[in-house]
Amino acid sequence: GENVEQHPSTLSVQEGDSAVIKCTYSDSASNYFPWYKQELGKRPQLIIDIRSNVGEKKDQRIAVTLNKTAKHFSLHITETQPEDSAVYFCAAINNQGGKLIFGQGTELSVKP
Amino acid sequence: KAGVTQTPRYLIKTRGQQVTLSCSPISGHRSVSWYQQTPGQGLQFLFEYFSETQRNKGNFPGRFSGRQFSNSRSEMNVSTLELGDSALYLCASSSWGLSYEQYFGPGTRLTVT
Repeated sequence: GENVEQHPSTLSVQEGDSAVIKCTYSDSASNYFPWYKQELGKRPQLIIDIRSNVGEKKDQRIAVTLNKTAKHFSLHITETQPEDSAVYFCAAINNQGGKLIFGQGTELSVKP
Repeated sequence: KAGVTQTPRYLIKTRGQQVTLSCSPISGHRSVSWYQQTPGQGLQFLFEYFSETQRNKGNFPGRFSGRQFSNSRSEMNVSTLELGDSALYLCASSSWGLSYEQYFGPGTRLTVT
C-alpha cells in the first residue's frame, strides 16, 4: 500500500551546520512531494515542494532533491538557525486527489 | 486571502457522544482534506472532498464521516466517540487542478474523556 518512511526521527545540530532529512515512498504513482514544518502548538506550514518532473529545487537556505528511480527525496537545510527548530514532515501525493501520505516526522533541534 | 479556518478550536466530549467539526477553506479552493494528528500515529489522512463529493477516503472506521457544502466549507462528524479519538483534527484546502499545494487550518483539539 501507500507508505512514506522518514528518517531520522530526531536530529540535533549546532547553529550554522546543515541538516538533512530523508524520505522514501512506495507508490510509484506519486508525483508531488511537499515538506511541512510544524512548530509546537501550530499548524503544519508548507515550506517547499517538488514535482516528479524536477530533480532539485532550492529556496534560500532550504532545498529538496528527488530521485524517482530510487523513490527517495530529501530536505536539506543549510546554515541552520535556532528558529529552524521544529518537527518536519515529508509527504507524497498522486494525481488521484488530495490524499497526502505523511512520513513520521523529524524533530529538528538547532542548538545556539 | 484569508487562510483556512476551523471551528471550534478546542472540544471536550465524553465517550459515546458525537461531534461535528467545521472547516472553511481558502476562498476559491474546492478541495478540502481532513487529517488526524496524534503523537503515536502522526498525521493520517481521513478523507477528501472536492466539489461536494468525497474523492478519497483513508482507513478509518465508518464512525468518521464528512461532507462538503456548495460554498466548499466542509464538516466532519465522529459518532460514538472513543478515548482513542482524542487528537488534533486538521483540515487542509487546495485549488486542485491549478496546484497540488495544501494549506492547513489551525486544527481542532478534541479530547474524549
